[in-house]
Amino acid sequence: QQQVKQSPQSLIVQKGGISIINCAYENTAFDYFPWYQQFPGKGPALLIAIRPDVSEKKEGRFTISFNKSAKQFSLHIMDSQPGDSATYFCAAREYSGGGADGLTFGKGTHLIIQP
Amino acid sequence: GAGVSQSPRYKVAKRGQDVALRCDPISGHVSLFWYQQALGQGPEFLTYFQNEAQLDKSGLPSDRFFAERPEGSVSTLKIQRTQQEDSAVYLCASSQGGHYGYTFGSGTRLTVV
Repeated sequence: QQQVKQSPQSLIVQKGGISIINCAYENTAFDYFPWYQQFPGKGPALLIAIRPDVSEKKEGRFTISFNKSAKQFSLHIMDSQPGDSATYFCAAREYSGGGADGLTFGKGTHLIIQP
Repeated sequence: GAGVSQSPRYKVAKRGQDVALRCDPISGHVSLFWYQQALGQGPEFLTYFQNEAQLDKSGLPSDRFFAERPEGSVSTLKIQRTQQEDSAVYLCASSQGGHYGYTFGSGTRLTVV
């Protein structure tokens, strides 16, 4: 059972456009939703994260929108640049209180920004 | 160190061979995670340490996989009798714990031939 479903699998956006990646989850106990950016040959790097008590978080050109009732969250990249071309993963974590817990990742979105 | 360091970066093993993958977390990070990332997929959780204690090993795919962190710093993931399906990138991540984000290393790409 895939606990975090991510779409689309791949995305091509023109430079300056808005890139939108969507994720949906099943487990209502998830309490932390990060997005990671991964370049080839590198490990995932934390981009931005949100907790379910807020509906939106913005950091520079990156915005997370969170809909708790629909169990969905999305990443918006404004003014997309060729340097944003990478694979993006959404993730979710169920915090048990015993320390940091493992993340459940989506399958990833391969984003290409065309100049 | 400044980041999470993993070694080796690449490992080719013959089927049936044992391998050991090393992770040096960020100094002072109490939490350490191992993930397995198959080609074109998202990372999948393997195991979690808080200091030297292995608190969750539910993601280890079989008893051929073993991880340790004896002094609460460096960790080693060992795979015995490697199989072709073990071919993947093995990622290590560390965290200060609690609600802090994780920092991933660049991973070890294991190819079993």
